[in-house]
Amino acid sequence: GENVEQHPSTLSVQEGDSAVIKCTYSDSASNYFPWYKQELGKGPQLIIDIRSNVGEKKDQRIAVTLNKTAKHFSLHITETQPEDSAVYFCAAGVSGTYKYIFGTGTRLKVLA
Amino acid sequence: ETGVTQTPRHLVMGMTNKKSLKCEQHLGHNAMYWYKQSAKKPLELMFVYNFKEQTENNSVPSRFSPECPNSSHLFLHLHTLQPEDSALYLCASSQGWDSYMNTEAFFGQGTRLTVV
Repeated sequence: GENVEQHPSTLSVQEGDSAVIKCTYSDSASNYFPWYKQELGKGPQLIIDIRSNVGEKKDQRIAVTLNKTAKHFSLHITETQPEDSAVYFCAAGVSGTYKYIFGTGTRLKVLA
Repeated sequence: ETGVTQTPRHLVMGMTNKKSLKCEQHLGHNAMYWYKQSAKKPLELMFVYNFKEQTENNSVPSRFSPECPNSSHLFLHLHTLQPEDSALYLCASSQGWDSYMNTEAFFGQGTRLTVV
């Protein structure tokens, strides 16, 4: 079946450093790629998304890149802060459907 | 506050109990979802409702029974659960879908279910 692989499962960085989380999807029909942040005791919240007609998107300290040929997409967080500590999920979906395939999550710890 | 409210936040139930999870969204969305979140596993889609009609039952055991009386409310009725059903159950809503766009899914805070 279709799946999304996400790496690493845990990531620790020093405050101020950058963090990169990578995902690979298998369904070549996927054209929508959201990233969610889940803080302790809360549900996932969308932080950024990208569609397949765009190779890169940036929102302040957060950026996402997409390589359709390789079926890879990545989340980049620069100048990390302690409040960035959370679990991050990538997902891949197909426009016109409700089906998002989620990755297994990355637990990011930003050390002060 | 995401506009999606789930109750209760925590639930402990025996294997012979019957309980229900409730989800309410105040966003005017047309689609609502139930997801199961277990440790070290991807979010698992369980049920999807679009305009109150169930459009997906992702091979979920019959001991889980969804109900969507209107576009704003979603229930998950539980009976004779197993310990392996212990997990975080997340409700989400979205505007629905069309041929061109996906729309953001807004998640509730979840119900932490423990089956003893």
